[in-house]
Amino acid sequence: ETGVTQTPRHLVMGMTNKKSLKCEQHLGHNAMYWYKQSAKKPLELMFVYSLEERVENNSVPSRFSPECPNSSHLFLHLHTLQPEDSALYLCASSPQRTGVYTGELFFGEGSRLTVL
Amino acid sequence: AQSVTQPDIHITVSEGASLELRCNYSYGATPYLFWYVQSPGQGLQLLLKYFSGDTLVQGIKGFEAEFKRSQSSFNLRKPSVHWSDAAEYFCAVGGRTGGFKTIFGAGTRLFVKA
Repeated sequence: ETGVTQTPRHLVMGMTNKKSLKCEQHLGHNAMYWYKQSAKKPLELMFVYSLEERVENNSVPSRFSPECPNSSHLFLHLHTLQPEDSALYLCASSPQRTGVYTGELFFGEGSRLTVL
Repeated sequence: AQSVTQPDIHITVSEGASLELRCNYSYGATPYLFWYVQSPGQGLQLLLKYFSGDTLVQGIKGFEAEFKRSQSSFNLRKPSVHWSDAAEYFCAVGGRTGGFKTIFGAGTRLFVKA
């Protein structure tokens, strides 16, 4: 298996539920990302982990909680979400080029989340 | 401020016709440049990238893009469009100083008519 794999592909949850999204990358990259993609809105960077350390947190509500146990795995824990959190959540990883992250991203297929 | 502009929200072309999708960026220096494609319900796939060197870069699926420094543009082209090219296309820039914030354009939706 290669690339970036996200599970589940689809998730429906109530506002009081707790669920998690999982991402796994088999590319040997050191940085992993969570993006949110809502209809008619630009891609929103949520979190970035580099070498398992969180390096970016773009004012994301605390009902989203990321976890990066190792450089191949990334989770997004969800609790007490709101209907406006319904979106496609994309995981990505990135390589370094001469020690620099260039912005090149390798995406998973996304987890479509619906909050009722 | 750093930004990426894709002037066309959507474009419709006939199958077999040529395609050009426009991308302009605002950046303090020459950035790294990318085009991504997203089919409905899928993640983004990298089509091509520009780091340095030849300003005409070739990508997958027969796409190419040309970096024009004087125009701050990185337009995507394909000589003959196939129905399977219908998707959303995103232009993006990354910084040469590193950092994790890739700046994406708003996307251009491509429709292909028979």
